[in-house]
Amino acid sequence: GESVGLHLPTLSVQEGDNSIINCAYSNSASDYFIWYKQESGKGPQFIIDIRSNMDKRQGQRVTVLLNKTVKHLSLQIAATQPGDSAVYFCAEILNYGGSQGNLIFGKGTKLSVKP
Amino acid sequence: KAGVTQTPRYLIKTRGQQVTLSCSPISGHRSVSWYQQTPGQGLQFLFEYFSETQRNKGNFPGRFSGRQFSNSRSEMNVSTLELGDSALYLCASRLGVSTYGYTFGSGTRLTVV
Repeated sequence: GESVGLHLPTLSVQEGDNSIINCAYSNSASDYFIWYKQESGKGPQFIIDIRSNMDKRQGQRVTVLLNKTVKHLSLQIAATQPGDSAVYFCAEILNYGGSQGNLIFGKGTKLSVKP
Repeated sequence: KAGVTQTPRYLIKTRGQQVTLSCSPISGHRSVSWYQQTPGQGLQFLFEYFSETQRNKGNFPGRFSGRQFSNSRSEMNVSTLELGDSALYLCASRLGVSTYGYTFGSGTRLTVV
């Protein structure tokens, strides 16, 4: 992922609206991507993943889109709720001939949901 | 089932001291990875252990080390602490090195004064 600066990008949305969080990843050889949610005082929590041979994957209220041409990942959250307020990270994993490498995290985005 | 357990949750140390952090993975998970999280650098990979062997290491100085025991529990050690080592240290476990499913603990918040 990109190097992280001192300030997280922030996204503020109204409760009930849809949220879109974007991420640029670094390695075109990465074959697996994950979105994590991190709440204050907790470790990152898995939200949804996608393999490099897919363009889109849907979960419950969440959708991940992968654009390998421009090395871009996005997370869409439908009907955003106050409980969705957190920092969101994308992460990529390289495949080393059958074994999976470590997580490489992108810069986080702080999502704030206004009631 | 129990999640990834990290102890202690909070730690305050003085510059120059050393510290040991502990991580107990999910039962059955044999791989343990460590990450450092700071506001400036974000989440950065420290190292991964599998079957008591370090299989991968991030770009950190030799003051950062780790080990894994036969029950898959892992410890990381930081010697000669510097102020810049203040961070949230996160541990993540997964079944093995050919699987993707990482589960994170809540971390140890280390403050160096």
